[in-house]
Amino acid sequence: GIQVEQSPPDLILQEGANSTLRCNFSDSVNNLQWFHQNPWGQLINLFYIPSGTKQNGRLSATTVATERYSLLYISSSQTTDSGVYFCAAQWGQGGSEKLVFGKGTKLTVNP
Amino acid sequence: ETGVTQTPRHLVMGMTNKKSLKCEQHLGHNAMYWYKQSAKKPLELMFVYNFKEQTENNSVPSRFSPECPNSSHLFLHLHTLQPEDSALYLCASSQARNTEAFFGQGTRLTVV
Repeated sequence: GIQVEQSPPDLILQEGANSTLRCNFSDSVNNLQWFHQNPWGQLINLFYIPSGTKQNGRLSATTVATERYSLLYISSSQTTDSGVYFCAAQWGQGGSEKLVFGKGTKLTVNP
Repeated sequence: ETGVTQTPRHLVMGMTNKKSLKCEQHLGHNAMYWYKQSAKKPLELMFVYNFKEQTENNSVPSRFSPECPNSSHLFLHLHTLQPEDSALYLCASSQARNTEAFFGQGTRLTVV
């Protein structure tokens, strides 16, 4: 099956700093999602981005499907950005599609 | 608020108990999923239902029994669980199997 790898596993920032989170996947994907998991366990949808670039406020994401990676950019980080960021790749076809998650990047933003 | 609601939020159960987790989605989606999130592990897909039919059972032990009575509701019936089954159980839904998925808040299960 597909492998989804995220880096770095842990990231500590000072408030106001910028960061880039990376997601590599080992096979062609149908789509790719980025999520933020808050301290209570809720997975919040950030981006649904099978290819190209999208922006939402201080966050943006780019997926280069042909090179099998996606990047999540966080600018001017805030303490509320802390949590775990997951990418998930939708893989498979013919009724056997699966959303496969990476292990996540744990982000800590200090005031 | 994602449109997917899970109850209860927390559950403590003994190994001989029987309990059920409930998931309800208000998004008009046709596919629903159960995921398990254990400490230090990626989210693991457990079951997939598409138009109320189970289309995926990812080698889940029979002590976990899913039920999907309609496209809006999904249950996970639990019986004779083990302490290693303690985890966060997440429900998700999507319009179709290959479209954007939305998750509930999760049920944090502790088996004692």
